[in-house]
Amino acid sequence: DADVTQTPRNRITKTGKRIMLECSQTKGHDRMYWYRQDPGLGLRLIYYSFDVKDINKGEISDGYSVSRQAQAKFSLSLESAIPNQTALYFCATSDLTPRLANEQFFGPGTRLTVL
Amino acid sequence: GDSVTQMEGPVTLSEEAFLTINCTYTATGYPSLFWYVQYPGEGLQLLLKATKADDKGSNKGFEATYRKETTSFHLEKGSVQVSDSAVYFCALSDRRSGGSNYKLTFGKGTLLTVNP
Repeated sequence: DADVTQTPRNRITKTGKRIMLECSQTKGHDRMYWYRQDPGLGLRLIYYSFDVKDINKGEISDGYSVSRQAQAKFSLSLESAIPNQTALYFCATSDLTPRLANEQFFGPGTRLTVL
Repeated sequence: GDSVTQMEGPVTLSEEAFLTINCTYTATGYPSLFWYVQYPGEGLQLLLKATKADDKGSNKGFEATYRKETTSFHLEKGSVQVSDSAVYFCALSDRRSGGSNYKLTFGKGTLLTVNP
């Protein structure tokens, strides 16, 4: 089984709808992240969480919110989806172990289309 | 702030050609450097990493050396295969003092296509 899973894998929705993307991990890592990927822009950080009680905005958090329900679960919500939120969304995890040097482990991605 | 600049693609090569993808960075602390690869339809996976100056990361025939003097971490492979076709991302994690800032900063990605 995959260590980092994301649901759904694909989603098509309409402008104004509320959408939740879910991420679960079995790696036992404290740190979790949400990124979006757009062609030619690489990955940009939306939100990150260093533990259940520590949630931080990334570089492009406007229009998004998150919930860290447990160490293993980190959800991303779009309260009112708009077309320019059409993108590929990735969840990632990491650990503070010095040997790993903040290597991040990625889920398979969720392709979201907002019409 | 931290930033990563990598060569723009797309890069198209014939099988067995030599590959170089350039990556340079700016960081205020002591970064760790990474190359991630994204195969079509998949998430990112770590290809290799280096945590200090002059370290060489290697995996699957790919290599990159952490050059602090030129702030670079160029990816190389001596003989590419069709199966290497993917998007490659250079990234850094800046280990600032205090230990709380462990985010990854990514380059924009380079699409590599290898033709038979």
